[in-house]
Amino acid sequence: EPEVTQTPSHQVTQMGQEVILRCVPISNHLYFYWYRQILGQKVEFLVSFYNNEISEKSEIFDDQFSVERPDGSNFTLKIRSTKLEDSAMYFCASLRQATNEKLFFGSGTQLSVL
Amino acid sequence: AQSVTQLGSHVSVSEGALVLLRCNYSSSVPPYLFWYVQYPNQGLQLLLKYTSAATLVKGINGFEAEFKKSETSFHLTKPSAHMSDAAEYFCAVSESGTYKYIFGTGTRLKVLA
Repeated sequence: EPEVTQTPSHQVTQMGQEVILRCVPISNHLYFYWYRQILGQKVEFLVSFYNNEISEKSEIFDDQFSVERPDGSNFTLKIRSTKLEDSAMYFCASLRQATNEKLFFGSGTQLSVL
Repeated sequence: AQSVTQLGSHVSVSEGALVLLRCNYSSSVPPYLFWYVQYPNQGLQLLLKYTSAATLVKGINGFEAEFKKSETSFHLTKPSAHMSDAAEYFCAVSESGTYKYIFGTGTRLKVLA
């Protein structure tokens, strides 16, 4: 089965530093997502991306966050100035085309902000 | 607005016993409903999905779920728990046209020997 690939699996950074989380969605998928899961809490929607622009974002996705699909294969999440509360597991996901289809998730990047 | 409520953040069952994980949803239009499973240190894997066809949906690993519109529920069941079923289970809802999937808070299933 095709896979969504995320790198790195673990990222440790200092508060205030910029981080970029990388994802390679499945090649024929059209919709891309970032979710995060703070330890012990639910999986939270951050942003969805379609046709090279953000289609929807949550209140969590403030000006410190940005997403980009720079080269047609990678999908990145950038946090400009990390805060302690950004520590979480970040999941990338992709979807082929319809909302009744399976959302494919990567195995996540564990971000630790010190 | 769509939302999902999972009752019981932790559920323990004995090996061989029935598994019942509860999910209730709220949606202004007919929803699409999903159950995902997360094993330790892994991403979320789809167990099964409801897409307005049969109300009883069978998934992988012997799990099934029944869509009950009158109760706005989509509970996950498995007749006989196995040790390998120990994981966290998430119910999710999406609405046609939004392309946003909303997840519940998750239920951690523990299987006792």
